[in-house]
Amino acid sequence: SYELTQPPSVSVSPGQTASITCSGDKLGDKYVCWYQQKPGQSPVLVIYQDNKRPSGIPERFSGSNSGNTATLTISGTQAMDEADYYCLAWDSSTAGVFGTGTKVTVV
Amino acid sequence: EVPLVESGGGLVQPGRSLRLSCVASGFTFDDYAMHWVRQAPGKGLEWLSGITWNSVSIEYADSVRGRFTISRDNAKNSLYLQMNSLRAEDTALYYCAKDIYGLLDQNGGMDVWGQGTTVTVSS
Repeated sequence: SYELTQPPSVSVSPGQTASITCSGDKLGDKYVCWYQQKPGQSPVLVIYQDNKRPSGIPERFSGSNSGNTATLTISGTQAMDEADYYCLAWDSSTAGVFGTGTKVTVV
Repeated sequence: EVPLVESGGGLVQPGRSLRLSCVASGFTFDDYAMHWVRQAPGKGLEWLSGITWNSVSIEYADSVRGRFTISRDNAKNSLYLQMNSLRAEDTALYYCAKDIYGLLDQNGGMDVWGQGTTVTVSS
């Protein structure tokens, strides 16, 4: 089965840039979306189809996908961005696979 | 108004069945594909199943294929998940989620989520 690997944790200082990677075989050939989940809350879609932002998501969130790695970038990270982040790719075009998740800490 | 409200969770013995429901409001339900996603306690997200707006195309994760069945009733703005042969490892918070698009192969993403319903499988 298809697998997506993310770093368990990423630390970033306020105002700096956080990069969260998601790795999988030929991931660049698939569409990737990213979710933010804060403790006790439901996930929120922050990026879909590699680099599109849903309405209401701040411009500081951006995405890219090439080769075997997709990246979520948070520019000018704020304390409110502290959360778990999950990538999701669509395997065989229609079945979803989540990444292992990354805890972003703003310190 | 909460767009998606799940129900049907609870405590169930291994090997038994449970049916989850999700009622949608505030959007045109039959325009969009829908999904079920779960999260075991302290663990990550796991995509389980998706269904197109017209129920023509359905997909399952390997972990639940053959045991779980997704369905929808557009007249009732409702999504369902029939779960059979439940195992301890099915214990999780189960989310219903709306797709951005109507078809699964448009590969959009889930932009609206419910609060989830908890399923506990234990004897």
